Amino acid sequence: GQQVMQIPQYQHVQEGEDFTTYCNSSTTLSNIQWYKQRPGGHPVFLIQLVKSGEVKKQKRLTFQFGEAKKNSSLHITATQTTDVGTYFCAGERSYNTDKLIFGTGTRLQVFP
Amino acid sequence: SQTIHQWPATLVQPVGSPLSLECTVEGTSNPNLYWYRQAAGRGLQLLFYSVGIGQISSEVPQNLSASRPQDRQFILSSKKLLLSDSGFYLCAWSKGQAGANVLTFGAGSRLTVL
Repeated sequence: GQQVMQIPQYQHVQEGEDFTTYCNSSTTLSNIQWYKQRPGGHPVFLIQLVKSGEVKKQKRLTFQFGEAKKNSSLHITATQTTDVGTYFCAGERSYNTDKLIFGTGTRLQVFP
Repeated sequence: SQTIHQWPATLVQPVGSPLSLECTVEGTSNPNLYWYRQAAGRGLQLLFYSVGIGQISSEVPQNLSASRPQDRQFILSSKKLLLSDSGFYLCAWSKGQAGANVLTFGAGSRLTVL
């Protein structure tokens, strides 16, 4: 079945360093979403990308959707301790838009 | 505004006992409803989803079942729990609109099977 993989699985950074997580799908996606889950919490929607090659920014976060609509990335500039959590990408397939396929997640730890 | 409630928040159950987790959504009608499971430190596994009353799609063969007796109520059940059923269960809803299927999650139910 379709898989959505994320790398790295874990990332430890010093506060102020940059961080990037990559999301790769085995099939083309109609759109991609990103969620953040704080430790002990539930996933919270961050953003959705729809267009091929689309780039969106939210303050220190930059999201990109690949040209082939099979990969995506999330880049955080100058991480802060509040960025700690697990970041998931989730893809929607064009032939079944009723469900999202979540990526494996990247757990980010930020040391002060 | 829309809200999603999920309970109980935590529970500890013996192997072989039944399970019932409940989820309700307020402030919307005919939502898509979902049950996900998250093992410790792992990703989100879709268990069931529903696009309407009485309509349940199962993603993974397992020891669990789901029901949607009312438009905004989604229930996850088991007749006999296994150790492997332990995990963090998350209910979610979406508007079910193609291209805008954003999920809003409940706070989750943490199940430990002993």
